[in-house]
Amino acid sequence: KNQVEQSPQSLIILEGKNCTLQCNYTVSPFSNLRWYKQDTGRGPVSLTIMTFSENTKSNGRYTATLDADTKQSSLHITASQLSDSASYICVVRENNNDMRFGAGTRLTVKP
Amino acid sequence: EADIYQTPRYLVIGTGKKITLECSQTMGHDKMYWYQQDPGMELHLIHYSYGVNSTEKGDLSSESTVSRIRTEHFPLTLESARPSHTSQYLCASSPQGAGKTQYFGPGTRLLVL
Repeated sequence: KNQVEQSPQSLIILEGKNCTLQCNYTVSPFSNLRWYKQDTGRGPVSLTIMTFSENTKSNGRYTATLDADTKQSSLHITASQLSDSASYICVVRENNNDMRFGAGTRLTVKP
Repeated sequence: EADIYQTPRYLVIGTGKKITLECSQTMGHDKMYWYQQDPGMELHLIHYSYGVNSTEKGDLSSESTVSRIRTEHFPLTLESARPSHTSQYLCASSPQGAGKTQYFGPGTRLLVL
């Protein structure tokens, strides 16, 4: 069983709508959590990084939250655009620097 | 845009062939990584390097080998390709230090017939 579980597996929304992607992890001890955006045929690009003490972090229309007690994170996308269509990957780093990747949520934004 | 490059982007090759996937970065990063990613699945670390002449195996067992003769170059070689090697291979690099951002290349999509 993967130590980083993401949901939903895929999501289709209309342009301009908001959405929230979930990430639950069992990785311990925890160092930090990142959300990456991976466009089709490209490598992942880092969106946000959060450490144990951070609850929320924003990057433009992307807002990530972290609850280290329940080991849950979410990525909220506001006013979605067609260019937001991509896979969003949650990555949790352990204290020993090992990184655990989620399988990603495939988001499709339709006009 | 990260300055990390992978070639070829796509490769279709027959079973038994030897192949080398190239990865180069111009950011002067000491750390470099190779990941394998199947469609809809998570990335798995197969090799990493902390610097020149340093290579380590990752979490996922792989029949590939790597070398790090120069800081900027981290090629991955398969001596005898098999259909089970069909996958996407992503190269990444990061600066020294804990928790630094990894910058990914565009990936090589490999199909072994």
